[in-house]
Amino acid sequence: SAVISQKPSRDICQRGTSLTIQCQVDSQVTMMFWYRQQPGQSLTLIATANQGSEATYESGFVIDKFPISRPNLTFSTLTVSNMSPEDSSIYLCSVAGGPHTEAFFGQGTRLTVV
Amino acid sequence: AQSVTQLGSHVSVSEGALVLLRCNYSSSVPPYLFWYVQYPNQGLQLLLKYTSAATLVKGINGFEAEFKKSETSFHLTKPSAHMSDAAEYFCAVTTNTGNQFYFGTGTSLTVIP
Repeated sequence: SAVISQKPSRDICQRGTSLTIQCQVDSQVTMMFWYRQQPGQSLTLIATANQGSEATYESGFVIDKFPISRPNLTFSTLTVSNMSPEDSSIYLCSVAGGPHTEAFFGQGTRLTVV
Repeated sequence: AQSVTQLGSHVSVSEGALVLLRCNYSSSVPPYLFWYVQYPNQGLQLLLKYTSAATLVKGINGFEAEFKKSETSFHLTKPSAHMSDAAEYFCAVTTNTGNQFYFGTGTSLTVIP
């Protein structure tokens, strides 16, 4: 299993500003995943972060809006840039336990943009 | 490609009644299926998983699910609902490599006293 610490747990931000979310894992993992969960909806994968290479973004998400860093095998950050109220969501960090095993999640960052 | 469909975005049951949350999957290869629960203001917690072993899978908190290939289903059940079961439930499927998970739209369970 993996224990994931994510911070901040919540924040209220002004539109036009940026917020960086941190994700720390208690073990080394190859891939880390960032999801967005909009109010009342399911999880949508934003990007996959590999250590030592650029993140791979899903359709509808771009690096300029959601830059990701992956400096080592236990840590990643997601920045939500130039925020608007539409960015108000829960952002979740996740790691896969390996082939055919479950994914582990951080407790999420609840972002409100005003 | 893999996907899951959860029928019923909201389910209400009386305390002590049977809980049944439906999940159907679509997969071009043998699927690996999961149920997660999300309590208010928390992340996702694994309830149970199917990884090609026994078709009837038992999880935490008295939940279980049965993998039915003929019906492409993985419905979640609990014989007797408890107030603490009120939460959002997500069905998910993963690829062979286990790197990407596809989540259903979620089912919000309300337990009525």
